[in-house]
Amino acid sequence: NAGVTQTPKFQVLKTGQSMTLQCAQDMNHNSMYWYRQDPGMGLRLIYYSASEGTTDKGEVPNGYNVSRLNKREFSLRLESAAPSQTSVYFCASSGQGFSTFGSGTRLTVV
Amino acid sequence: AQSVTQPDIHITVSEGASLELRCNYSYGATPYLFWYVQSPGQGLQLLLKYFSGDTLVQGIKGFEAEFKRSQSSFNLRKPSVHWSDAAEYFCAVGAGSNYQLIWGAGTKLIIKP
Repeated sequence: NAGVTQTPKFQVLKTGQSMTLQCAQDMNHNSMYWYRQDPGMGLRLIYYSASEGTTDKGEVPNGYNVSRLNKREFSLRLESAAPSQTSVYFCASSGQGFSTFGSGTRLTVV
Repeated sequence: AQSVTQPDIHITVSEGASLELRCNYSYGATPYLFWYVQSPGQGLQLLLKYFSGDTLVQGIKGFEAEFKRSQSSFNLRKPSVHWSDAAEYFCAVGAGSNYQLIWGAGTKLIIKP
């Protein structure tokens, strides 16, 4: 089925560890996004990529890096995880005027 | 500054009753407006969107929303809710040419049997 695929679905990290969240879309969309969702705060944009080869900071980029590997894939990296990065992370891509979301990654940093 | 406000953190409605979820936005230009629904442990699914034209838009699952420019509102409605509608609902405004979205904090809908 066409859509946005995120891996992993769950992850527990120790403070200071690093990890990469993977995202791939098969809808041939140019724009892709990473959001974090925290209770009572809606979704906040971490980084986005308007097209292959470009990335830009969103509202809350500190502590994260991204790579737009190709048109399909957009990864999010935590270099040194902190408890404040405990959250649910969503990847999305945009086309035909709206965003399609992955099912999310629940990350806990202890 | 651009913003989206959903005044109700949660709403409880009896099954079969009508529903209205409020959304107000602050945006300098003509907005692109969206409602998404998130079931527990799931991603977000688009319910409906408004870009231009008819200010009453129909979406999936029997939902509709009305854009009122004078009130800067885009309220979501459903004439009769079902238990399966229990979820969290997010209003969003599209900002910029890359469909970047500004999100409300969400309204959790609770259905009473």
